[in-house]
Amino acid sequence: GAVVSQHPSWVICKSGTSVKIECRSLDFQATTMFWYRQFPKQSLMLMATSNEGSKATYEQGVEKDKFLINHASLTLSTLTVTSAHPEDSSFYICSAPRGAGYEQYFGPGTRLTVT
Amino acid sequence: GQQVMQIPQYQHVQEGEDFTTYCNSSTTLSNIQWYKQRPGGHPVFLIQLVKSGEVKKQKRLTFQFGEAKKNSSLHITATQTTDVGTYFCAGPGSGAGSYQLTFGKGTKLSVIP
Repeated sequence: GAVVSQHPSWVICKSGTSVKIECRSLDFQATTMFWYRQFPKQSLMLMATSNEGSKATYEQGVEKDKFLINHASLTLSTLTVTSAHPEDSSFYICSAPRGAGYEQYFGPGTRLTVT
Repeated sequence: GQQVMQIPQYQHVQEGEDFTTYCNSSTTLSNIQWYKQRPGGHPVFLIQLVKSGEVKKQKRLTFQFGEAKKNSSLHITATQTTDVGTYFCAGPGSGAGSYQLTFGKGTKLSVIP
């Protein structure tokens, strides 16, 4: 089945630094990938849609200068959290659609802790 | 934007009891998808329903799509501890021509052995 990997699985960083998270589709090409944020005991909040070869589309309220997305190839999208603050601490998950119904295949997620 | 409401938020059941989670939308959905997220894990696709009144089964799980395509349900018969997790329904997002999904808030299922 479709597999999506995500790296790193967890990261701790200091306030003010930047963190890059990678999302890869391992056995299929994904022209579109999605980045979600999930707070404890809450649902998935779509942050942005990553489009290969073009600019990402950000959801309302998501700062594009803070959450930089790059989709440089058909199998890789990256999310960079710039100038991280403790309130950016969260679980970040990427997904890629595939299949007849475009069901989404999720990466294992990245737990970010900003101290 | 489109919203998908899901209830209940939490459900505690004794092992062997049945469980149902409901999903409602104010607008007609072209399709609905269901996902399961185990504690500490990531969402995993379970099924997609497309047709009005559609019913699909996966072992002890029964998925239904309403006749008006505005609601859906997931029913688990005789729950087991392996059913523990959060179940999300998801409808198409508002982005035109995209594969976006709008997720419900999820129902967290706890199974007491």
